[in-house]
Amino acid sequence: AQSVTQLGSHVSVSEGALVLLRCNYSSSVPPYLFWYVQYPNQGLQLLLKYTTGATLVKGINGFEAEFKKSETSFHLTKPSAHMSDAAEYFCAVSEGGTASKLTFGTGTRLQVTL
Amino acid sequence: GAGVSQSPRYKVAKRGQDVALRCDPISGHVSLFWYQQALGQGPEFLTYFQNEAQLDKSGLPSDRFFAERPEGSVSTLKIQRTQQEDSAVYLCASSWTTGIGYTFGSGTRLTVV
Repeated sequence: AQSVTQLGSHVSVSEGALVLLRCNYSSSVPPYLFWYVQYPNQGLQLLLKYTTGATLVKGINGFEAEFKKSETSFHLTKPSAHMSDAAEYFCAVSEGGTASKLTFGTGTRLQVTL
Repeated sequence: GAGVSQSPRYKVAKRGQDVALRCDPISGHVSLFWYQQALGQGPEFLTYFQNEAQLDKSGLPSDRFFAERPEGSVSTLKIQRTQQEDSAVYLCASSWTTGIGYTFGSGTRLTVV
């Protein structure tokens, strides 16, 4: 079985400040890891994903995440927050391969203030 | 099409009514998933299709929920005798192959009154 824990249901940062959204996972096999962003009344948009290879993954809109196996973590960061980053962020894990469903965390709402 | 299309975007149903939610995946995508997202929660897996075959329906919460994809493209999620706890956003996602990320639709928000 796999699971995802996102620490902090709400995170507030000032515009221009570092964004850090935390994600820890559990998986019985090497995981595939994902971050999705959801804007109000919209579907989920893929920010970035880790499958194999380089553990530092760069995504869209300046976001990146680092897979740390020893810490079972996949935290999402962005050096400088922008007002347009305000949204709900979901971390997800899958076991990869065929018929592989995503298991999501409960989400972190990012607020960006002036 | 260019993206995953879901219809209707919003559905209000009276308790006990049957509803049908439609998903048009990206053309040629083999895999199709349905997820349920309750208010303030992350999406939860409902069911998975590979082409027309429903390979995993372990997430369907009750036998009132039924999904089909008869020709391996469009999929319909049907909920019979809706109850208030069925109120949620229902998301559809499709991909060429699984495990490498999916394209999600905008969802159908179902409200049961």
